[in-house]
Amino acid sequence: EVQLLESGGGLVQPGGSLRLSCAGSGFTFSNYAMGWVRQAPGKGLEWVSAIVDNGGSANYADFVRGRFTISRDNSRNTLYLQMNSLRVEDTAVYYCAKRTAVAWGHFDYWGQGSLVTVSS
Amino acid sequence: EIVMTQSPATLSVSPGERATLSCRASQSVTTNLAWYQQKPGQAPRLLISGASTRATGIPARFSGSGSVTEFTLTISSLQSEDFAVYYCQQYNNWPLTFGGGTKVEIK
Repeated sequence: EVQLLESGGGLVQPGGSLRLSCAGSGFTFSNYAMGWVRQAPGKGLEWVSAIVDNGGSANYADFVRGRFTISRDNSRNTLYLQMNSLRVEDTAVYYCAKRTAVAWGHFDYWGQGSLVTVSS
Repeated sequence: EIVMTQSPATLSVSPGERATLSCRASQSVTTNLAWYQQKPGQAPRLLISGASTRATGIPARFSGSGSVTEFTLTISSLQSEDFAVYYCQQYNNWPLTFGGGTKVEIK
């Protein structure tokens, strides 16, 4: 059974940093691209970032480019999202999601999400 | 950026009735279109990929159709567990984009 378990969320002040982690199990983690999708309170889904299977390439939404960094450690079956210069508008539940191929595809499995609250 | 527009925003349907949800892309995404279901407090769940392929374990009452810029998700006979928010997503181009969602509520 595929499982994705996020951790690292919490309350942070504007301008602060936070690192999210996502531990994958039940599949060969190193064979799939992964991504992060967020959802602000009461709002829709918003793609944040994605990374290919070997970590060699990543893409970002414009609103996080230069502030967030996605990475992965395939030896630990773990995906990361380093979030710097956080803004109030970054407040959201952040979902880790598995893509269906090495560098492409939709999201076939999702974690339960990690809440990030940016507030003074 | 490809803008995904879903309509209607809210759909009121009685149990047992048919529901038809629409998703329009601002430019061609061929058939690189997925549909997700989300219930309150839960993560999204994949329903359909490739515009028309049901994901594993998804009941046959869910069907997807369309290509290029016009897509439809049909729920043939709504069950109580189908009342939720539905999102379309294109994965043809960067950035990946989602529609704003359609909430299917009990009439």
